[in-house]
Amino acid sequence: KQEVTQIPAALSVPEGENLVLNCSFTDSAIYNLQWFRQDPGKGLTSLLLIQSSQREQTSGRLNASLDKSSGRSTLYIAASQPGDSATYLCAVRLNAGNNRKLIWGLGTSLAVNP
Amino acid sequence: NAGVMQNPRHLVRRRGQEARLRCSPVKGHSHVYWYRQLPEEGLKFMVYLQKENIIDESGMPKERFSAEFPKEGPSILRIQQVVRGDSAAYFCASSPGTGGGRYDEQFFGPGTRLTVL
Repeated sequence: KQEVTQIPAALSVPEGENLVLNCSFTDSAIYNLQWFRQDPGKGLTSLLLIQSSQREQTSGRLNASLDKSSGRSTLYIAASQPGDSATYLCAVRLNAGNNRKLIWGLGTSLAVNP
Repeated sequence: NAGVMQNPRHLVRRRGQEARLRCSPVKGHSHVYWYRQLPEEGLKFMVYLQKENIIDESGMPKERFSAEFPKEGPSILRIQQVVRGDSAAYFCASSPGTGGGRYDEQFFGPGTRLTVL
């Protein structure tokens, strides 16, 4: 059974720091992995999607890497800003075809302090 | 382009009543997913639908819950005879569905927060 774990559960950093959020999964046979951002009381914003054949994806100050063999993904946030404060969730999709469910971690709650 | 729309954003029901949650996918998306986020828990998959078809309902409770995505109109998640344990945030997502790669990316709505009194 696929399980997704995110470490740390919470993180507080001063503005400007570079930081890394971690996501691990128990079954390496994934189809893709997505990183999301959730603001309190709001929906989820997709940040990056990495296919199983890819090693990393970049969008602005965000870089996500994927190491399928070790069951790990990291989300790197450069030069953090107070507006980055949110909960960051990773989710994996197991198979291609019609099995499209996402299996979720519990998230890392990030606070960037001015 | 409008994103995924969900309504209502907040819904209060008394035990035993019915709750109907609506989701309009991104224009042009033909695949819809429902997820539930219970208080202090992670998101859990409920159901995956394409137009007029349920593809995967492995995450749906066996009783009281049903979902549809008709040829016309929004997808509906229906909860009959709600109980306090149904209180949660219900998120809908959509994807284009064809082509693989980024066509599999799921885009989420703002959610409906259901409170059962």
